[in-house]
Formats: sequence, C-alpha cells, structure tokens
Amino acid sequence: QVQLMESGGGVVQPERSLRLSCKASGFVFSNYAMHWVRQAPGKGLEWVALIWFDGTKKYYADSVKGRFTISRDNSNNTLFLQMNSLRAEDTAIYFCAREEVSFCGGHCPPGSWGQGTLVTVSS
Amino acid sequence: QSVLTQPPSVSAAPGQRVTISCSGGDSNIGNNYVSWYQQLPGTAPKLLLYDNNRRTSGIPDRFSGSRSGTSGTLGITGLQTGDEADYFCGTWDSSLNAWVFGGGTRLTVL
Repeated sequence: QVQLMESGGGVVQPERSLRLSCKASGFVFSNYAMHWVRQAPGKGLEWVALIWFDGTKKYYADSVKGRFTISRDNSNNTLFLQMNSLRAEDTAIYFCAREEVSFCGGHCPPGSWGQGTLVTVSS
Repeated sequence: QSVLTQPPSVSAAPGQRVTISCSGGDSNIGNNYVSWYQQLPGTAPKLLLYDNNRRTSGIPDRFSGSRSGTSGTLGITGLQTGDEADYFCGTWDSSLNAWVFGGGTRLTVL
C-alpha cells in the first residue's frame, strides 16, 4: 500500500533553514506528481508546493515563493522541501501527499498523505 | 482568507443528512474539479471525493459530491458519530497556478 514518511521537522530560529524529506513506498514514485501541504496549529490546510512526476514543473504558494524549493529524487523515491528564511508564520505540520492519479500534470488532488512532520519557527 | 469559502461549522443529528458548501470563482471551481477531504482529530486529511463526485476506494455512498457553477457541495446521509470531523474542499486555481483549499467546516453530529 502507499506509504509516505516525512522527516526533518524540528525547532528552528527565524531566518534559518530546514530541509524536509518524504520517503515514498508502495507505488511507482516516478509516475506521480507530489505535493507539500501544511497546517498551522488549530488552523486549516494550506497548500505549499507541487512538483511534476518528472520534476520538470514546479508550482508554489505565494506565501513561500522565493523562500522554499521543492525537489525530488526519483531514483531514491524521495521528495524534498528546502525551506529558507523561515518565519514564525511557517510554523505548521508539513504533509507530503501523492497526487491521486498518475501522470495527471498537477491538476489532480493530493490523494494519499503522510502523517506529517512538525516545524516550529521560534527564537 | 481562503480562496474557497466554506461555512465554519454544521451540525445534524445521527441518521440525518447534511450538506457542506464550497464557494469559489471562475478560475478555480468554475473551471476545475472539486475535491473533498475529511480530517479526523489528530490525523492526516483523507481524500473522500474528487472530480466533483468520484469516491475514492472504500468511501461509502453515504458521501456524495456535486458542482454547480462556481460552487461545490458535499453531502453526507445517514450521519454517524464517526463522521464528526473537519471537512475541506480543494481545487486547482488556473489563475494562481496553485492548489487552493477552503477554510474547513467542522461537522458535529449531535
């Protein structure tokens, strides 16, 4: 079955960097676009970024554009989120999610989700 | 402020039917499919419906979806206490080139 395991969260000071990873298994990773979605404590879902199955296209929320970079390593079934210049408002649980349909080109919804990793930005 | 607008809360008695609305615009719901998620406390969101009304594997037909113009609707019949959760709508926004979610609706089964 589809498994997604996030890691790399923790407590970080403002303006510092953090790199999240998401290890995938149970499906052909290179056939699916992947998302990062976050949820601040007690708040709703906020989409963060999307990368196509082959990594050729990437999309970002305005709130993270220029600071966060999504990437993937299809040979190791791993998704990444490099987060730079972190702010207090970036504090959230970060989920990685697989697109529901293969080769969909980004317009299909995040389907299978990991359990998330908590990022806390605080001095 | 979310691009998609949902009511903050809805409630109904066990066995009853409830609907949750999701209002957007031409660049999102008006031209793209709506999806619906259920999030139980302390867990990751779960995709219930996509392509406006297509249920994912294992989701009972008590859950249904529809879209009309720039709004989507989630319907749940035969309410159970286990349906108490937060529900989110989502879709692609062709102007923002971004996926967008509604603010979420908390369902209480009285």
